Amino acid sequence: DTEVTQTPKHLVMGMTNKKSLKCEQHMGHRAMYWYKQKAKKPPELMFVYSYEKLSINESVPSRFSPECPNSSLLNLHLHALQPEDSALYLCASSQDYPEMAWTEAFFGQGTRLTVV
Amino acid sequence: AQSVAQPEDQVNVAEGNPLTVKCTYSVSGNPYLFWYVQYPNRGLQFLLKYITGDNLVKGSYGFEAEFNKSQTSFHLKKPSALVSDSALYFCAVRDGNAGNNRKLIWGLGTSLAVNP
Repeated sequence: DTEVTQTPKHLVMGMTNKKSLKCEQHMGHRAMYWYKQKAKKPPELMFVYSYEKLSINESVPSRFSPECPNSSLLNLHLHALQPEDSALYLCASSQDYPEMAWTEAFFGQGTRLTVV
Repeated sequence: AQSVAQPEDQVNVAEGNPLTVKCTYSVSGNPYLFWYVQYPNRGLQFLLKYITGDNLVKGSYGFEAEFNKSQTSFHLKKPSALVSDSALYFCAVRDGNAGNNRKLIWGLGTSLAVNP
């Protein structure tokens, strides 16, 4: 199984709502990532978890809260978002981080988030 | 500073013709280079990578890339383009000697249009 599964595929939320994005992989990867991507732009790294511990937080606003319950799951909790947070949110995994930096990342299909 | 440049926003090619998508990079240590493709409304898919060894790397869907150390380039190529190759292509690099600072640096992307 070489899939990274993200749910939901689409999400519309109001600025006062709380929602969560979910990501799952069963490749035995020990590094998992959240990226934000605007249309026709490269993905922007948000968070990296390595061995279930938060390794990198790219100065992301606190209205985004990541969680890694176990080595296969990654969540992104959303609260009080702004319209400019509307984007494609991508989850990815790789064998290890920062070791094995030569390994490629596997990406999910993404969650298309719209904040109204 | 680490950087990746994709000098062309858009590449147009006729079906059946060879295609090239250009990428140049700048890192202080040994580069780990990657190409990813993104089809409309989808996540990113890994195409190929260069770690060490042969300068010509073969990847998925008939794509290959040539690593040129003196020109610090890693151009993506395909001998005969298909309409289904139309997508957004991203080049990315990791500095293999950067210790724990091994974040992936992304190019801005090149939109490939293959015309029937």
